[in-house]
Amino acid sequence: GAVVSQHPSRVICKSGTSVKIECRSLDFQATTMFWYRQFPKQSLMLMATSNEGSKATYEQGVEKDKFLINHASLTLSTLTVTSAHPEDSSFYICSARDGVSPLHFGNGTRLTVT
Amino acid sequence: AQSVSQHNHHVILSEAASLELGCNYSYGGTVNLFWYVQYPGQHLQLLLKYFSGDPLVKGIKGFEAEFIKSKFSFNLRKPSVQWSDTAEYFCAVNAQAGTALIFGKGTTLSVSS
Repeated sequence: GAVVSQHPSRVICKSGTSVKIECRSLDFQATTMFWYRQFPKQSLMLMATSNEGSKATYEQGVEKDKFLINHASLTLSTLTVTSAHPEDSSFYICSARDGVSPLHFGNGTRLTVT
Repeated sequence: AQSVSQHNHHVILSEAASLELGCNYSYGGTVNLFWYVQYPGQHLQLLLKYFSGDPLVKGIKGFEAEFIKSKFSFNLRKPSVQWSDTAEYFCAVNAQAGTALIFGKGTTLSVSS
């Protein structure tokens, strides 16, 4: 089946630094990828929709200058958390569309900002 | 805007008990409905989905769900749970194929052996 790979699976960084998370579709071309954030004991909240070759569409309340999304190819989207702060600590999950559905999810990235 | 409600935050069952997890959505048009499972330390896995047709959908691992349009519900069921079903269960909806999923808050299922 379709596989979405996310890297790294876990990252710890210092406050003020930037962190890049990669999301790759391994065996299909993903024209659209989605980035979610999941706080402990909470549901997945959509952050942004990333379309290959164009600017990402951010959900209300998500700072586009803080969460930079790049979708330069049909198999790779990246999320960069800039100037990270402890409140950015969360579980970030990407998903990719394979045709019309269902969406395939990456394993997620646990970000801890100290 | 679409929203998804999962009524049960934490369900505790003994092995062989029957399971039903509630899911209601808020959206006036046609929707696609999904149930995902997240085992401890693992990524989301699709259990089953409904796009159209027979409102009773059968998924993997013995799970099924019934879409009741009049009640805006898509409850997940399993006749007899196993210890290995211990996980987090998420109901999700999208209004158009290929668009982002809107998730419920999830239900934690704990099954004791």
